[in-house]
Amino acid sequence: DQQVKQNSPSLSVQEGRISILNCDYTNSMFDYFLWYKKYPAEGPTFLISISSIKDKNEDGRFTVFLNKSAKHLSLHIVPSQPGDSAVYFCAASAWNSGNTPLVFGKGTRLSVIA
Amino acid sequence: ETGVTQTPRHLVMGMTNKKSLKCEQHLGHNAMYWYKQSAKKPLELMFVYSLEERVENNSVPSRFSPECPNSSHLFLHLHTLQPEDSALYLCASSQGTGSVDTQYFGPGTRLTVL
Repeated sequence: DQQVKQNSPSLSVQEGRISILNCDYTNSMFDYFLWYKKYPAEGPTFLISISSIKDKNEDGRFTVFLNKSAKHLSLHIVPSQPGDSAVYFCAASAWNSGNTPLVFGKGTRLSVIA
Repeated sequence: ETGVTQTPRHLVMGMTNKKSLKCEQHLGHNAMYWYKQSAKKPLELMFVYSLEERVENNSVPSRFSPECPNSSHLFLHLHTLQPEDSALYLCASSQGTGSVDTQYFGPGTRLTVL
């Protein structure tokens, strides 16, 4: 059973608009969440993270929102740019339970159309 | 010099072959990881090494054998693989094994088992 779910395998967004990528998790012990971005022929690269003591973290055009009661997080990219086209992976960990390894979702492929 | 390198980038092997994947990190990190990325599946953690000692093994079949001779190098020895082992194998490194330690990924080795 998947503990981290990205239910949308793909998303297309017009350049300049907002991209919203969603992630749901089932393990209530998860308290640290990360987003990774992956271009073709490259490994994933860290994008942004959030711990469960916060409900929002912002870094430039990227904002991650965490709704603990719904066990849901989302990544907002605004404005979206063609260079943002990539696969985005959500990952989670139970940090306070002892540095557990990251659990990744399947990824969502974002296409930003010029 | 890129942070995490992997060789070869592509590998095709028969089920009776023996081959090895190599990973090298130039970041001075203490932890290294092997992940498997199959089509339409989440990134799966295979092995974790911290200071050259294996600390995590997620029930990986014995036909995959990791080796970490020092903190900069990680190998994955392959023998008698099955076609379902065809996947992208990603290596990563981080300063420590905590989830707050950002993992830096290599570009991956695309493995095809015939």
